[in-house]
Amino acid sequence: AQSVAQPEDQVNVAEGNPLTVKCTYSVSGNPYLFWYVQYPNRGLQFLLKYITGDNLVKGSYGFEAEFNKSQTSFHLKKPSALVSDSALYFCAVRDSMNRDDKIIFGKGTRLHILP
Amino acid sequence: KAGVTQTPRYLIKTRGQQVTLSCSPISGHRSVSWYQQTPGQGLQFLFEYFSETQRNKGNFPGRFSGRQFSNSRSEMNVSTLELGDSALYLCASRPTPTHGSYEQYFGPGTRLTVT
Repeated sequence: AQSVAQPEDQVNVAEGNPLTVKCTYSVSGNPYLFWYVQYPNRGLQFLLKYITGDNLVKGSYGFEAEFNKSQTSFHLKKPSALVSDSALYFCAVRDSMNRDDKIIFGKGTRLHILP
Repeated sequence: KAGVTQTPRYLIKTRGQQVTLSCSPISGHRSVSWYQQTPGQGLQFLFEYFSETQRNKGNFPGRFSGRQFSNSRSEMNVSTLELGDSALYLCASRPTPTHGSYEQYFGPGTRLTVT
C-alpha cells in the first residue's frame, strides 16, 4: 500500500535563510509526487510535481523539490525564505501500480518564517 | 478559467441533523474528489467521482455519501451529524483520474461546525 510521511509537524526558519520541508514515501511501483500549500482559511494550492525525468523539479513561488529514489524522499526546498511563505505544506503521492488511482496526502508541515 | 467553487463556505448544524455540501469543478474537469481536513487527522480522502460514478472511497461510515451530476458538479451529504464531523471539507477536481500525473485543484472548502 502506498503511504507518505512528513516527519516534522512544524519547521521554523529565519527570513532569508534556506528552507527544507521533508517528505518520504512508500509505493510499490513508480511514484507520482506532489507538493501543495495551504494558507489560512483557503484550500490547497498546487506547488509542483514529479512524474518522471529530472530529479530536481521547479515550481511556483521559487520552490523546488528533489526526488531521491534511493532514499524514497521528495523534500521541498527554497533558497531564501520569505515571511509570506508561512503556511501549511502537504506532500502527496500516487502509486503508478495502484489501479484505483488514489492520491494519499501526508499530515502536513506547518512552516513558520521568522522576520 | 474559474476555479473550483464550494458552497456554502460556512455551516453550523446540530447533532443529528443532515447536511449537503456542493462543489463545482473547473470547467472541463470530470473528476471530483472530497476530503475531510481536521487538525488531528490531517487530510483524509472521502471519495472520488468520475462520469457520475464513484471510483474510490475512503474509510468513512455510510453516513457520508456523495453523487456527481452530468455537468460534473458534485454534492456530498452527511446524515445524522456527530460532533466529530466538525471539519473543513475540501473538494478537488482534475481533468480525468485515468492519468495519475494530473494534479488536483482545490476549492476553498466548507467549514462545518456541529454543535
